[in-house]
Amino acid sequence: NAGVTQTPKFQVLKTGQSMTLQCAQDMNHNSMYWYRQDPGMGLRLIYYSASEGTTDKGEVPNGYNVSRLNKREFSLRLESAAPSQTSVYFCASSDGSSGVETQYFGPGTRLLVL
Amino acid sequence: QKEVEQNSGPLSVPEGAIASLNCTYSDRGSQSFFWYRQYSGKSPELIMFIYSNGDKEDGRFTAQLNKASQYVSLLIRDSQPSDSATYLCAETSGYSTLTFGKGTMLLVSP
Repeated sequence: NAGVTQTPKFQVLKTGQSMTLQCAQDMNHNSMYWYRQDPGMGLRLIYYSASEGTTDKGEVPNGYNVSRLNKREFSLRLESAAPSQTSVYFCASSDGSSGVETQYFGPGTRLLVL
Repeated sequence: QKEVEQNSGPLSVPEGAIASLNCTYSDRGSQSFFWYRQYSGKSPELIMFIYSNGDKEDGRFTAQLNKASQYVSLLIRDSQPSDSATYLCAETSGYSTLTFGKGTMLLVSP
């Protein structure tokens, strides 16, 4: 049981390049999330998917797109990277079986945009 | 815009002491509250959640919730150097999304 996995771990991009961050979970969770974490800003929600086939914007969606490929996988795409997108990106999935929707995080992707 | 406020710290405590981490929130509709621990360079890991007024204990950790005062706290008893990390408070209004505070750094000195 690997939990939430993310690829790649590190990435350096040039301004204007595109890339896709991959996330997968093996916990059979319905909901999945993408966050970014910047120094002094805390964790901010980019997009989330409450169930397979649905996606919704979070607090900071501009410059990103997402795809909920199936129940296990949720990808984040940067179409034209900008230096302001330099950050650490975390994927999470959540389980409501305890009556409270608890989120579990992947190890993160560190992205540097030059 | 919902807000979750935490003192950024660092909060310094000696080994064996009780560390008290505090969090306030702006939305009276908030229902459940979470504490995550994040070591430097790592991802957040769930410590515990609470949704009823009062105390909830799990090992050395106790979460306290006071909805009237819009206040959540985390007590860590017998603090260890391995507890040194940033502690994130988060809330939800019952939907799946969380609003996080910016975290409090805890330093436990041997």
